[in-house]
Amino acid sequence: AQSVTQLGSHVSVSEGALVLLRCNYSSSVPPYLFWYVQYPNQGLQLLLKYTSAATLVKGINGFEAEFKKSETSFHLTKPSAHMSDAAEYFCAVSDRGTNKLVFGAGTILRVKS
Amino acid sequence: EPEVTQTPSHQVTQMGQEVILRCVPISNHLYFYWYRQILGQKVEFLVSFYNNEISEKSEIFDDQFSVERPDGSNFTLKIRSTKLEDSAMYFCASSDSGGRFEQYFGPGTRLTVT
Repeated sequence: AQSVTQLGSHVSVSEGALVLLRCNYSSSVPPYLFWYVQYPNQGLQLLLKYTSAATLVKGINGFEAEFKKSETSFHLTKPSAHMSDAAEYFCAVSDRGTNKLVFGAGTILRVKS
Repeated sequence: EPEVTQTPSHQVTQMGQEVILRCVPISNHLYFYWYRQILGQKVEFLVSFYNNEISEKSEIFDDQFSVERPDGSNFTLKIRSTKLEDSAMYFCASSDSGGRFEQYFGPGTRLTVT
């Protein structure tokens, strides 16, 4: 069964520093890949998605992610963290032929001033 | 901007009682989903619904659970006889197509079973 691993349940960065949140999937066939963000007391908001077009995907709020088939990874990055980026980030995958999303455990991003 | 809405935001019920969680998906979407997140655990898929029938369900979605689209706008999740372990945040989502198309999530209903 498909699984998603997010390394680091908590990541802390300084404001203005690089954000790197890691995600690895288990499928041998490249799935569809998504990053969602959840702010306190809110639902999940889509940041970006990979659906087999360009391997470098740009999303909202300055985030981007690169699909690397050889590493089965889809890490999320942002060059310069802002205080408003503090939230929980979820990587999710959807195998081709299914509509369900399989989520990682989530990474809580803390941004220090 | 269209959004998925869910009611109530918080539901407290006693063990053994029936609960109905309600969702209004985005109006032109065709696929509907329920997920849940037990405190401290991953978001888990429960069920997907398309063309007025369940298209996929997880092992969690047993006979205690049912879904319905009673009219053109609402999508409901019913738990017939709640257990303590049903306490979780329940998220509704919708998409205009399946697979590679993003799912739009509602804010969730926190269900507490006492």
